[in-house]
Order: sequence, then C-alpha cells, then structure tokens
Amino acid sequence: SQQGEEDPQALSIQEGENATMNCSYKTSINNLQWYRQNSGRGLVHLILIRSNEREKHSGRLRVTLDTSKKSSSLLITASRAADTASYFCATDGNQFYFGTGTSLTVIP
Amino acid sequence: NAGVTQTPKFQVLKTGQSMTLQCAQDMNHNSMYWYRQDPGMGLRLIYYSASEGTTDKGEVPNGYNVSRLNKREFSLRLESAAPSQTSVYFCASSEAHGTGYGYTFGSGTRLTVV
Repeated sequence: SQQGEEDPQALSIQEGENATMNCSYKTSINNLQWYRQNSGRGLVHLILIRSNEREKHSGRLRVTLDTSKKSSSLLITASRAADTASYFCATDGNQFYFGTGTSLTVIP
Repeated sequence: NAGVTQTPKFQVLKTGQSMTLQCAQDMNHNSMYWYRQDPGMGLRLIYYSASEGTTDKGEVPNGYNVSRLNKREFSLRLESAAPSQTSVYFCASSEAHGTGYGYTFGSGTRLTVV
C-alpha cells in the first residue's frame, strides 16, 4: 500500500507550544498534502508540497519533505486550542492515499 | 458558498436495505470522489469520477455503485447494505483529477447498518 503513516498517533501539548507530526510513505510520490479534520467534520486541505520542494510555509504551518527518507513533517507553531483536530497526510499514486492521522489536543 | 454538500447527514439501515448517498458541489470542479472513514483505517477511496461521464473504482468498491449525474452531482448507492458498510462516508471534489490539486470535502454521512 502507498498509504502514508502518521506519527505519533496522538499528541497532547499546552497552548503556545509547537506541535510536530510526521508522515512516512512507501513509494515515490509527485505531491504530498496535509489535511485537518475537526471532530465530526470533513477534512480541510491545509497545504500541498511537491516532490521537488523541500519546505513550504503557510501562516503558522511549516511542512518539510524528504524524498530520500520518504517522509514529511508538519509543524504547527504557537499552537492554539482551536488547532485541536486530527491531521492527515495524503500521498499520491493514481489517487490520493490517506494515512490514519495524528490526533492533536491543545490544552488551553 | 456551500462547497460540497452531502445528504443525509445520518442514516440507519437494516441489513439488506438499499440507499443512495447524495453529493453536490458548486465550485465547478471536474472531479469528484467518495471515501469511507473507519476507525484506525484512515480514509479509503471507494469510487471516483475524474470528469463528467466517467467513473472508476478506487480501493474498496465492492458493494457500492456510483452515478455521476452531471458535473455537480455524484451519488453513491448501496444496493444491499451490510454491517461491514457501517462507516462515515465523505464526498470530495477537486478542480481536476491528478495529484496536484487539493480536495474539498463535504461534512460526511454517518451510516449505521444493523
């Protein structure tokens, strides 16, 4: 399976701290995306990084991609309680494959 | 700006019953997708429609059928529901099929088959 795997499965931090989630995948990719899912809601697209990019920023989000290690990380800086959600990476093939997600809890 | 709208939001079916999940998008996207989300399994693609008039199987198509009614609408049908189809179903759309485009998801349909 090309499915990405997020690590850790669950993460709990204090508000204001940084949160880092990792995604590993098995085969070569063209792009990798990160999504957020709030409890009981659909997924929301956060950021897309292409295979020829190493780092990308969007507001408080920083995504890195290491194709040699087949891994990506999502960093959320200065976390807020509203960042509490599950975060998924999605890797491509002839379709997108989603991982099982990291559940982030930000404690106020 | 509704985005992707799914109906119904909740449904309980008895084993063997049939039902159709509806999905509509108002973003003029060409591609539409149906996923199911199960605990510990992530999202798995059931069927997709790369463009109006085409449909293709995803990772877990057995027990499902789809119809791309027009550019806006993409429905998922369970002909004879089974308890294994208890899940949360998400419809998504993208500007085009291909890995360079992000998906816009609906809010989901929570289906329980008893």
